[in-house]
Amino acid sequence: DSGVTQTPKHLITATGQRVTLRCSPRSGDLSVYWYQQSLDQGLQFLIQYYNGEERAKGNILERFSAQQFPDLHSELNLSSLELGDSALYFCASSPPGAGDWEQYFGPGTRLTVT
Amino acid sequence: DAKTTQPPSMDCAEGRAANLPCNHSTISGNEYVYWYRQIHSQGPQYIIHGLKNNETNEMASLIITEDRKSSTLILPHATLRDTAVYYCIVSWGFGNEKLTFGTGTRLTIIP
Repeated sequence: DSGVTQTPKHLITATGQRVTLRCSPRSGDLSVYWYQQSLDQGLQFLIQYYNGEERAKGNILERFSAQQFPDLHSELNLSSLELGDSALYFCASSPPGAGDWEQYFGPGTRLTVT
Repeated sequence: DAKTTQPPSMDCAEGRAANLPCNHSTISGNEYVYWYRQIHSQGPQYIIHGLKNNETNEMASLIITEDRKSSTLILPHATLRDTAVYYCIVSWGFGNEKLTFGTGTRLTIIP
């Protein structure tokens, strides 16, 4: 158990819909990262927040957005969903001073778009 | 343009040491070597990282060559639970926009 929690565990929705994925980082961690993992794409970095502010952006679509709240939990919003958005979405956090690459991952949210 | 090269798959007998190689010939002086693993459909798990000295923790040892162009992750006594995809990543550690894991090495522990 990494200490990072994600909800929900599974999500099934239809094309065109909007969903929100939630992540709570480990206690004391200020950075939150979002990743997408699909069968054909591997693990892809989407976006990073540090203490409420966006810090780095990866291959995140314009239909996707994220934010980090004052209590440091983060939400990833996916809208106008397409079949290709079906994937595992992971959140990770890292402790302050450890560098961006010592990350602790949550169990993931499996999104299925039908 | 991949920064690391890893074999796609490896087998190791249970109880033996698993040695996973990684080539990173273009590594720069301030870049770290990080290792993660991912057990099927679970979140990736941080294992260890190093700059130039060898490192050891409760999970593994990391051996980095003197020229830093390659490294080896060692799992000293592999168990079936170590079956996973292992990722070697090179990064300077802060604010890197290109946080990509690559394809890794699929390690299978054989009973």
